[in-house]
Formats: sequence, C-alpha cells, structure tokens
Amino acid sequence: NAGVTQTPKFQVLKTGQSMTLQCAQDMNHNSMYWYRQDPGMGLRLIYYSASEGTTDKGEVPNGYNVSRLNKREFSLRLESAAPSQTSVYFCASQTPGTQAQPQHFGDGTRLSIL
Amino acid sequence: AQSVTQLGSHVSVSEGALVLLRCNYSSSVPPYLFWYVQYPNQGLQLLLKYTTGATLVKGINGFEAEFKKSETSFHLTKPSAHMSDAAEYFCAVMSGGSYIPTFGRGTSLIVHP
Repeated sequence: NAGVTQTPKFQVLKTGQSMTLQCAQDMNHNSMYWYRQDPGMGLRLIYYSASEGTTDKGEVPNGYNVSRLNKREFSLRLESAAPSQTSVYFCASQTPGTQAQPQHFGDGTRLSIL
Repeated sequence: AQSVTQLGSHVSVSEGALVLLRCNYSSSVPPYLFWYVQYPNQGLQLLLKYTTGATLVKGINGFEAEFKKSETSFHLTKPSAHMSDAAEYFCAVMSGGSYIPTFGRGTSLIVHP
C-alpha cells in the first residue's frame, strides 16, 4: 500500500529558482491538499482540490500555484522561490463522503531556500 | 467558524507515567474531532477520531480520548507512556459542512527513561 507518495523528499533551492513538488495517491480519493509545516505553527493549508478539475486557495496561497493533473496527482509549484518558503510540505488526500473521514498524509518534502 | 487550541507546545513525562495532551475546540455546530501523531521525518497518521455516539474513543497504541461537549474538549490520554510514544501530536476539527480540517499547533511529547 503506497498511499500518498511525495517527491522529492529533500530539495535545496536558490532564491528565485522554480520547482514543482509532486504528489500522487493510489486510494481513489477525490480530495487532495497541500500544507506547509513550520515550527510552532502547526499545519497551514496552501491549496486544496475538492475533486478532479477544481482547485481552491487555502490559508497561505501566496507564492504558490497548483495543478490537479488527474484524480491521482496534485502538484505544487513555486515559481520564484523565497527564503520564507523554506518549510516542510505535506500532501494529503481524503475520501469523499461524510466529514468523518480522516486525511491521509505523505511523508513530506523538506525544502530549503538559500 | 472552527478552531482548535492545544495547550502546551511541549509535554514531558517519565516512562510509565500518565500521558495527557489537551485539546479544546470551538465550533458552532457538532464537530468531528481527530488526533494525529507525527513521528520524526514522517507524515501525520490518524490515532483516533470522534464522529457521533460514544464519547470515549479508543485509538491505536493504547491512546484514547473523551469528547466533552460541555467543556468543548477532546483531551488525549494514555495510562502508561512508552519511549516509542515520543512524537508530535495534532488535534484537528471539522464542522459546519466543511471538509477542510483545522489543525492545532501541535504538542511535542517527550518521554524520559
């Protein structure tokens, strides 16, 4: 059971560079999410996709873009990386239905921007 | 609107001692409540969840939590801490028709030998 797979696991960028974080899930979930985790801040939602073909902004969307490529894949793009975007990024997915369903998380991408 | 407050960014216990991690929520409608655990260099994993029905919920690894509506709390407990319980714990709430959870800031559990 792969669950939610994130690539890469680690990345170091220079300020101004761009990159795309990849996320794929094999659980046939409709909803997918991108979070960033910073010390003492918990998880903050960047973008989410309630279903294939839709995306919406979360709490901290500035500086990011997303693409819901298909039902399995949801990517996060940094067009011009800034040191403030140094963080651990988590992708999550959720099955449709009632609100009682938990989210399933990947192991994260640790991103450092110099 | 929904929100979660986790009291204490760090909790330190001795091995074998009671673990108590506090979570208070705010919701205008009956909530769904979750506890997740995060081990180093891993993503979050579900420990337990409250939906409806029995207010005492049992989860994995001997953890349990009690939903107390009158106190708007969902505290996580374990009778006897083990070294392997050392991790970050997150409380989350979903309510009001939203499928997007609100997470607390997390509590780091430290277990001393």
